[in-house]
Amino acid sequence: EPEVTQTPSHQVTQMGQEVILRCVPISNHLYFYWYRQILGQKVEFLVSFYNNEISEKSEIFDDQFSVERPDGSNFTLKIRSTKLEDSAMYFCASSPTPYGYTFGSGTRLTVV
Amino acid sequence: DQQVKQNSPSLSVQEGRISILNCDYTNSMFDYFLWYKKYPAEGPTFLISISSIKDKNEDGRFTVFLNKSAKHLSLHIVPSQPGDSAVYFCAAEHGSSNTGKLIFGQGTTLQVKP
Repeated sequence: EPEVTQTPSHQVTQMGQEVILRCVPISNHLYFYWYRQILGQKVEFLVSFYNNEISEKSEIFDDQFSVERPDGSNFTLKIRSTKLEDSAMYFCASSPTPYGYTFGSGTRLTVV
Repeated sequence: DQQVKQNSPSLSVQEGRISILNCDYTNSMFDYFLWYKKYPAEGPTFLISISSIKDKNEDGRFTVFLNKSAKHLSLHIVPSQPGDSAVYFCAAEHGSSNTGKLIFGQGTTLQVKP
């Protein structure tokens, strides 16, 4: 069964550093998403991406965050200057329509 | 802003019995609802969904019921199996959104005892 692949599975970074989380969505999917889950809290929407542009973003997704689909296969989330409160599981998802996502296994980001 | 709430953080049932997971929402503009299952160290896995034009959707052991007037949905698992032990999230999508943004509840941890 096709799957969404996220790398790395765990990233540790120092506060203030830039991180890039990588995702390979399912190949024929058109809609791409990033969500995050802070430990013990709910899964929160960050951003949706369609037709090479952001279609919606949450309040969390401020100027420190950006997304890219640099080569038609990868979908990346960049955090320019990480803060302690950015520590969370980050999930990428993709879908052929705006319904019925497939999520990746997540990247655990730890900011120290 | 808790638009989707799962008020029971945990539920424990015996194998073979019914598991009922509940979810309430506040936004009447939600028109599509989904249930996801999540194991530790994995991403959420889609289970079942329901459109607001229906009140029931069934898929094998899983049935979702929607009560629009009460803004309440529930997931029934019958019979429950130990492999069903996981965290279950309900999620909702806004009717006017075509971006696919989902609002998740806090999750309910289901434990099915052998």
